[in-house]
Amino acid sequence: DIQLTQSPSFLSASVGDRVTITCRASQGISHYLAWYQQKPGKAPKLLIYSASTLHHGVPSRFSGSASGTEFTLTISSLQPEDFATYYCQQLNSYPRVSFGQGTKLEIK
Amino acid sequence: EVQLVESGGTLVQPGGSLRLSCAVSGITLSSYEMNWVRQAPGKGLEWVSHLSISGDSVYQEDSVKGRFTISRDDAKNSLYLQMNSLRAEDTAVYYCVADAGPVGGFDIWGQGTMVTVSS
Repeated sequence: DIQLTQSPSFLSASVGDRVTITCRASQGISHYLAWYQQKPGKAPKLLIYSASTLHHGVPSRFSGSASGTEFTLTISSLQPEDFATYYCQQLNSYPRVSFGQGTKLEIK
Repeated sequence: EVQLVESGGTLVQPGGSLRLSCAVSGITLSSYEMNWVRQAPGKGLEWVSHLSISGDSVYQEDSVKGRFTISRDDAKNSLYLQMNSLRAEDTAVYYCVADAGPVGGFDIWGQGTMVTVSS
């Protein structure tokens, strides 16, 4: 099974900050990685697919990149509505997909 | 507007059964790959089961094999999850999700329905 490890698990930041969340896969997954945002009591929302493609309607301050088995989600300038939990997902073993453990982004 | 609306979640005793439903509107269910994803209280996301567009290929996470069955009714445009031999560890919010394949990700989510397994 492919394991995904996100870091950090918790992140405290301020409005306007640039933040980066990392997701490391236990083996090669090509570009089959997606990122989701989840707010309390709500369903997750797709942000990025295929490692770096922005889902429609997602603000351009969100971006994704990949280097080998390491993937990053970057928010260039945090907005108040960005404080949430973020998950990565590998789809290399689709349809048997798996998720990272999550990164909770909190207001400093 | 595309909507996936789950229902059927409730409190059930260990060993009991439950059927979750997902009513789909705005899209034709038989044109999408479909999934159930769950989230235990305070925990992360866990993929549970997948039904192919053709309707004849089913995949399940190991811990639910032999206990959960995914299916759909094209006439009702609805997806189902039959859950048998329920355990405390099945307690979670269950989401109905349409996906766009391995490249496109899980792009359409329902609001979720809560299943609590407890005596």
